Amino acid sequence: QKEVEQNSGPLSVPEGAIASLNCTYSDRVSQSFFWYRQYSGKSPELIMSIYSNGDKEDGRFTAQLNKASQYVSLLIRDSQPSDSATYLCAVHDSGSRLTFGEGTQLTVNP
Amino acid sequence: GAVVSQHPSWVICKSGTSVKIECRSLDFQATTMFWYRQFPKQSLMLMATSNEGSKATYEQGVEKDKFLINHASLTLSTLTVTSAHPEDSSFYICSGTGAEGGTETQYFGPGTRLLVL
Repeated sequence: QKEVEQNSGPLSVPEGAIASLNCTYSDRVSQSFFWYRQYSGKSPELIMSIYSNGDKEDGRFTAQLNKASQYVSLLIRDSQPSDSATYLCAVHDSGSRLTFGEGTQLTVNP
Repeated sequence: GAVVSQHPSWVICKSGTSVKIECRSLDFQATTMFWYRQFPKQSLMLMATSNEGSKATYEQGVEKDKFLINHASLTLSTLTVTSAHPEDSSFYICSGTGAEGGTETQYFGPGTRLLVL
């Protein structure tokens, strides 16, 4: 089992829709979770971090964390074509290293 | 805030030569820096963890004598790819950790694309 798994893509949504990205992790002691966005040919850019169970909202982005289910998700409301990118879920291990999922490629169609 | 720079952004070299990549934290002190490698269509793979003033910790399968890492100050880490070969061609990305709300967050540099001919 992979340490961090993301829902297989690619994911395609129409402009204005909600995009839902999911991630599960295997290490129960993980406490810090991150979503990064990576445009083609660019390095990852931090979108959201979440540390506590529940929802965390930042503009059009909402991260959800459920430690009991070892599940973290990212919702993008009112999706825009500029949101088209690969979204990487990352989990901190006990040594502050990040373990990344394989990424979900999102395409928002105008 | 939390800006990390890398230099160069692109490098093309001949097989057998060495290439040095610099990673700088511009507006924060990064006690820990990480070096990643990313091949096309794949996720980031951690190569090594670098703490200021001490030897880097390499991930399994990464040759420490081939990928030399120096973290001489809280704002600068360097990765030297020695005797580069075409299979070393990749996208190399560094990150530095900065505290956000008491928890360390990794901020990534823009990456260095290496092509070995």
